[in-house]
Amino acid sequence: DAGVIQSPRHEVTEMGQEVTLRCKPISGHNSLFWYRQTMMRGLELLIYFNNNVPIDDSGMPEDRFSAKMPNASFSTLKIQPSEPRDSAVYFCASSSPLFRLNEQFFGPGTRLTVL
Amino acid sequence: TQLLEQSPQFLSIQEGENLTVYCNSSSVFSSLQWYRQEPGEGPVLLVTVVTGGEVKKLKRLTFQFGDARKDSSLHITAAQPGDTGLYLCAGVYDQTGANNLFFGTGTRLTVIP
Repeated sequence: DAGVIQSPRHEVTEMGQEVTLRCKPISGHNSLFWYRQTMMRGLELLIYFNNNVPIDDSGMPEDRFSAKMPNASFSTLKIQPSEPRDSAVYFCASSSPLFRLNEQFFGPGTRLTVL
Repeated sequence: TQLLEQSPQFLSIQEGENLTVYCNSSSVFSSLQWYRQEPGEGPVLLVTVVTGGEVKKLKRLTFQFGDARKDSSLHITAAQPGDTGLYLCAGVYDQTGANNLFFGTGTRLTVIP
């Protein structure tokens, strides 16, 4: 298995632009998580899906952020409009209750820079 | 939100030294995980401890879950440069759902050759 796949690996954009981050979870995993990591705030859970359904989006910072999971093999995190304070590394992770209790498998992350 | 505080936040040691990293919370967790994150990569699970007082060893790494399941420690013996990375503890609040993993603030370890 290729593991969790994220694209792009790096994104540089200007304030006000729309940014879309993509994630392909590990095949067979039924839970998907989006995290944001910064030096100041550490690793923060933004939203998670179970069986493609958003379960908890309380970590989404504001309405500029939205996430979708149209099928079991694909999810997107969109920021519109982007702001400099959104600059961070965004991770996608997936897990399955059938494999090692609550272990989450992380992708390599997308480093977002908003100028 | 379940808050997990890790200490120290930063640690820089010489190769061969021993070190201990702590993870503390006011909440009781059903289990606790330790992850290591290397630069440019996502966190990778090292171990899960489930029972209060449990001790697990992974080569030179020793993990302990507190008796009250509110705290944990990671001890590294004879640290190597390959141990360099960000160590994250993550508390599992209950066993029934997927939404229950809360990450600590992290300890950034640098092992100098």
